Amino acid sequence: EPEVTQTPSHQVTQMGQEVILRCVPISNHLYFYWYRQILGQKVEFLVSFYNNEISEKSEIFDDQFSVERPDGSNFTLKIRSTKLEDSAMYFCASSDFQSGGGPYEQYFGPGTRLTVT
Amino acid sequence: GEDVEQSLFLSVREGDSSVINCTYTDSSSTYLYWYKQEPGAGLQLLTYIFSNMDMKQDQRLTVLLNKKDKHLSLRIADTQTGDSAIYFCAESLGYGNKLVFGAGTILRVKS
Repeated sequence: EPEVTQTPSHQVTQMGQEVILRCVPISNHLYFYWYRQILGQKVEFLVSFYNNEISEKSEIFDDQFSVERPDGSNFTLKIRSTKLEDSAMYFCASSDFQSGGGPYEQYFGPGTRLTVT
Repeated sequence: GEDVEQSLFLSVREGDSSVINCTYTDSSSTYLYWYKQEPGAGLQLLTYIFSNMDMKQDQRLTVLLNKKDKHLSLRIADTQTGDSAIYFCAESLGYGNKLVFGAGTILRVKS
């Protein structure tokens, strides 16, 4: 069964460093997303990406964050200068296009735990 | 704005039914979802319901939607120890739109 994969599973970085979190969405999916979950808090939407551009972003997704689909398979989240409060589990998700406005399923990866020290 | 609230913890005995409740605020939500998260794993979609439906049944899972009260529930019949996990309620406006999650309900099943 196709699945979303994420690497690395755990990333430790020092404050102020840049990190890139990588995701391989399901191959025929067209919508891509990043969410994060700070320990003990809700899963929060960060950004959605469609047709090679950001379609929606949250207030959390400030200038420190960027996303890219550098090739036909990878979808990356970059944090330019990490802060302590960026420590969280980051989930990538992808979904297919449903014609007729039907329901869509966002398939989630297992997450990357980012620890900023 | 959008907000989704859930009770934090539920403990049941194996074989009993579990009912996990959720309330949401955005009346324009088109789809409502239940996701399951097991330890160390990602979010797995269990089921969804379209906002013009009142009920949906899928094997052991029954979803009830009260659109007037903006209340969603997930009933798991014959709960098993393997059902122990965190269950998240989520809402969205439709395909391509973000999911807004509740904080999750920890379900503990005692044998």
